[in-house]
Amino acid sequence: EAQVTQNPRYLITVTGKKLTVTCSQNMNHEYMSWYRQDPGLGLRQIYYSMNVEVTDKGDVPEGYKVSRKEKRNFPLILESPSPNQTSLYFCASSLSRLAGGTQETQYFGPGTRLLVL
Amino acid sequence: AQKVTQAQTEISVVEKEDVTLDCVYETRDTTYYLFWYKQPPSGELVFLIRRNSFDEQNEISGRYSWNFQKSTSSFNFTITASQVVDSAVYFCALGPLYGNKLVFGAGTILRVKS
Repeated sequence: EAQVTQNPRYLITVTGKKLTVTCSQNMNHEYMSWYRQDPGLGLRQIYYSMNVEVTDKGDVPEGYKVSRKEKRNFPLILESPSPNQTSLYFCASSLSRLAGGTQETQYFGPGTRLLVL
Repeated sequence: AQKVTQAQTEISVVEKEDVTLDCVYETRDTTYYLFWYKQPPSGELVFLIRRNSFDEQNEISGRYSWNFQKSTSSFNFTITASQVVDSAVYFCALGPLYGNKLVFGAGTILRVKS
């Protein structure tokens, strides 16, 4: 089954304690992205990756890091989480514009609810 | 800059009523894509439709229909004969023709009561 998986689904942590949210897709998609969802703001892009070892900042990258060492995985790293990073996080993937020529539909993971105390 | 506005924060209807969710967008691009996603109470994002700016024909899929009007920069979504299972948050999103970034609206909460 084609899917995007995220782990963990729920996480409560404390300020300053480093954490990683994993994202994996089995569709051989080149493009992967992280979004955060906050009430009244919709989803905002944090980081994206066009392919292995190619990443770039989205609209709200402060406080986050990413890596893309393998095509299927795109972890989101919070080196020193703060309460303002409490949010619902989504990973998404799609074929790359380089492959498809035009924007392909993005498929989203189930989401990770993060609470930073 | 690109922007998507969903002015309706929350809508409540009674089952079997028709309901329209509004989406207005801003972009300087002459070609682009528009999307609708559904987020049920379980939290996942479900893809509903992708429409490119070349095609202004309305689309119908079962009880769902979409009205795209380039002249007013709107891409409205209508649910006919709403059902309780339609209760969700609905997001409209805008993306460039060549590229992968999506800009989302704030979402509209739809509550369908029995």
